[in-house]
Amino acid sequence: DAGITQSPRYKITETGRQVTLMCHQTWSHSYMFWYRQDLGHGLRLIYYSAAADITDKGEVSDGYVVSRSKTENFPLTLESATRSQTSVYFCASRGGVAAKNIQYFGAGTRLSVL
Amino acid sequence: SQQGEEDPQALSIQEGENATMNCSYKTSINNLQWYRQNSGRGLVHLILIRSNEREKHSGRLRVTLDTSKKSSSLLITASRAADTASYFCATDRNSGNTPLVFGKGTRLSVIA
Repeated sequence: DAGITQSPRYKITETGRQVTLMCHQTWSHSYMFWYRQDLGHGLRLIYYSAAADITDKGEVSDGYVVSRSKTENFPLTLESATRSQTSVYFCASRGGVAAKNIQYFGAGTRLSVL
Repeated sequence: SQQGEEDPQALSIQEGENATMNCSYKTSINNLQWYRQNSGRGLVHLILIRSNEREKHSGRLRVTLDTSKKSSSLLITASRAADTASYFCATDRNSGNTPLVFGKGTRLSVIA
C-alpha cells in the first residue's frame, strides 16, 4: 500500500550488530505498530505508539527499541541482533476512533540474522 | 498470547467451491476483523463485524459472529484462484484503545 512504506525490504545482518528498520506513513495516522511474523506463531506485537513520543511494549518487546519523534515515522531498532530475531517484520498504522481500529500494513521487511 | 485461533490451519479447495474458515477467541470483544495476506505481502483488511452484529456481507464474503461461543466464521463463496492467500482474524477488545490481536491464520489454496 502506497500510504505506508517499510525499508529496507530485505536485510541480512550478523549477530551482535545493530539494525534499524524504517516505517513511514503518509496519512498522519496517530497509531503505529510493529509486528513480527514467524511460522507457527502468526503475527506478534512488538511495540506500538499512540502518538508522537508515546510508545508501549507489546507481547515480544525484549531486544527491540522504538522511537516516535515524528507522527509519520516509527523506526524499530534491534540493539544487538540475535538469530532468534530472524523474521518478517510488519509495520502498521491506523487513524482515530472513526477509523474503527482498522489497521493498514506495510509490505514487510524480511530480516535474516546470521 | 494469541486472542484468536483460526481453524483449519490450511485449506485446499477447487475453484468455484466455497471456503469456510473459523476463528475462536477468548475474551469479550468490541469487534472482530478479518484480514487477507497474499504471499510476500502485508495484511489487507477485508471486513469488520461489531459485537452486536451476527452476520455481515461484503461481495463474496460472509462473516458471522457468535459472541456466546466466542467464535466467528468467514465464508468465501464461488472461490477463485486469486483468493489463494492466508486469512487472519483479529479481535479488538477495547474500541481501539488497545492493539488488535491476531490469530495464526488459515492458509487457503484455491486450485484452478
